[in-house]
Amino acid sequence: QKEVEQNSGPLSVPEGAIASLNCTYSDRGSQSFFWYRQYSGKSPELIMSIYSNGDKEDGRFTAQLNKASQYVSLLIRDSQPSDSATYLCPLLNSGGSNYKLTFGKGTLLTVNP
Amino acid sequence: EAQVTQNPRYLITVTGKKLTVTCSQNMNHEYMSWYRQDPGLGLRQIYYSMNVEVTDKGDVPEGYKVSRKEKRNFPLILESPSPNQTSLYFCASSSTGRGEQYFGPGTRLTVT
Repeated sequence: QKEVEQNSGPLSVPEGAIASLNCTYSDRGSQSFFWYRQYSGKSPELIMSIYSNGDKEDGRFTAQLNKASQYVSLLIRDSQPSDSATYLCPLLNSGGSNYKLTFGKGTLLTVNP
Repeated sequence: EAQVTQNPRYLITVTGKKLTVTCSQNMNHEYMSWYRQDPGLGLRQIYYSMNVEVTDKGDVPEGYKVSRKEKRNFPLILESPSPNQTSLYFCASSSTGRGEQYFGPGTRLTVT
């Protein structure tokens, strides 16, 4: 069973700080990685996807991927209270159908004003 | 507006009474999926579909059925609901099948 583990939460940071969220995964063959954000009572929404080793930046968000270490992270710079949410990093099944996503439990981030 | 819709949004029912939760997307996506979300367990995939008439089991398919007769619709059927199916259900769709998914607003189901 392919699994993803996220850094234990909840995570609390002051407004303006850098929030660092991490995931490790058991499937060395995975090629696609994603970060979703879920506000309380709402549905998950995709915020970043990353397929190659290294960094990918989108505004205040930076995703970092290290396939050799089986590790993906999300950095949120200049954290805002509106970033307070649960962050999810699902693992995409690298098998035949290429569609099955396995989610971890997520990391709850709170940004304090 | 591109969206995934689910109906109903909230449902309280009794054990054994068949129900259907509808899901529809207007983005012409080939891939659709159903998840349930429970406290402490996270999101778990129930079923997914790669195209019309093509479906496959996810991690927790027991007690559920799906059908994909049209590209835009992917209903979730509970033939005989039980209290352990009380959960928050999400439908999702994707054009690529690589993991970039659009989620519906969710259906909160309570089975008594």
